[in-house]
Amino acid sequence: QVQLVQSGAEVKKPGASVKVSCKASGYTFTSYYMHWVRQAPGQGLEWMGIINPSGGSTSYAQKFQGRVTMTRDTSTSTVYMELSSLRSEDTAVYYCASVDTAYWGQGTLVTVSS
Amino acid sequence: QSALTQPRSVSGSPGQSVTISCTGTSSDVGGYNYVSWYQQHPGKAPKLMIYDVSKRPSGVPDRFSGSKSGNTASLTISGLQAEDEADYYCCSYAGSNTYVFGTGTKVTVL
Repeated sequence: QVQLVQSGAEVKKPGASVKVSCKASGYTFTSYYMHWVRQAPGQGLEWMGIINPSGGSTSYAQKFQGRVTMTRDTSTSTVYMELSSLRSEDTAVYYCASVDTAYWGQGTLVTVSS
Repeated sequence: QSALTQPRSVSGSPGQSVTISCTGTSSDVGGYNYVSWYQQHPGKAPKLMIYDVSKRPSGVPDRFSGSKSGNTASLTISGLQAEDEADYYCCSYAGSNTYVFGTGTKVTVL
């Protein structure tokens, strides 16, 4: 069955970077784009960007341009999302989603606090 | 890329129908037939309920239906049930391989 398993919760200081992983299984990894979506506490869903696991091409929401980098490792069917220059407003649960967003990871809580 | 506009909340009694609107622009909702809807229960990951405006993934009850007119998409839940109480988000393709979510709507079953 399709599974997206994300890395564990992180606590970071302002100005630092965080790298969240999403390991896919149960489908052909290179056949479906991977989305990254975040949700701040008590807030709505926010689309961050997308990566094509086949060729590695990416598209990012304008808001995150220059601060986010999405990469993939086809040998382990894993996608990574790195967000830099963290600030308190980046505290959120970060989700990966694939197979046309029919499948989602369990979410990774990133807390930014001094 | 401004968020799509949804009503903050809608409510209905069991068995009734409710409709959630999702208003964008000609650059997103109105420009493409790629609107999806997600249901999210507290503390859980979102669940895809509708894709490509009106298609239902397997396993989603046919009580859920989607449509679009101009720059506004809609999700209708017919025969409302207690388990439908959740937050609902629309999402639209916005060109250049980018997407935008709606502001979210809380559905309350009275």
